[in-house]
Amino acid sequence: GQQLNQSPQSMFIQEGEDVSMNCTSSSIFNTWLWYKQDPGEGPVLLIALYKAGELTSNGRLTAQFGITRKDSFLNISASIPSDVGIYFCAGEAGKSTFGDGTTLTVKP
Amino acid sequence: NAGVMQNPRHLVRRRGQEARLRCSPMKGHSHVYWYRQLPEEGLKFMVYLQKENIIDESGMPKERFSAEFPKEGPSILRIQQVVRGDSAAYFCASSGQAVDTQYFGPGTRLTVL
Repeated sequence: GQQLNQSPQSMFIQEGEDVSMNCTSSSIFNTWLWYKQDPGEGPVLLIALYKAGELTSNGRLTAQFGITRKDSFLNISASIPSDVGIYFCAGEAGKSTFGDGTTLTVKP
Repeated sequence: NAGVMQNPRHLVRRRGQEARLRCSPMKGHSHVYWYRQLPEEGLKFMVYLQKENIIDESGMPKERFSAEFPKEGPSILRIQQVVRGDSAAYFCASSGQAVDTQYFGPGTRLTVL
């Protein structure tokens, strides 16, 4: 089956720093999605990418759909304490496959 | 503008009992997906349903688990004779089309004593 490798598994950063995380796969996907999950809540969609090479921003978040369609990255600029949570990537190709998440901790 | 609704939010069951988890998709959505999340882990796909049809149940355990999405009413994930290993957060998501973006509910946290 399709598998996604999401890295890093966790990050501990200082408030104000930039963050970068990525997902890679041996499979090709038609859509890449990035979600954020706060403790005790369901994942909330942050950014959706529909075309290879697409670069999309949502406030301080920027995500790109890799040219090969096998990878994607998410950047968060100037992190703030409320950015803490678990970030998941998901690739869609008929059905969705999720990465195992990147847990982000931001120290004030 | 109600999103995906799940209830109950928390469910406690003793070993051997049945658990029923409900999911009402977003208005206008006819595709429902169930996922399981163990503590400190990612989301694992369980089943994908459309109204009255199971489209893909490749992630469902072969025994004790079943799902339905009737013509009227919410989608139900049913776990019979629960065991401690069933303790997890169960999330439902819905989409408007088969390959459309999925929107998640708040989850049901099942604890088996």
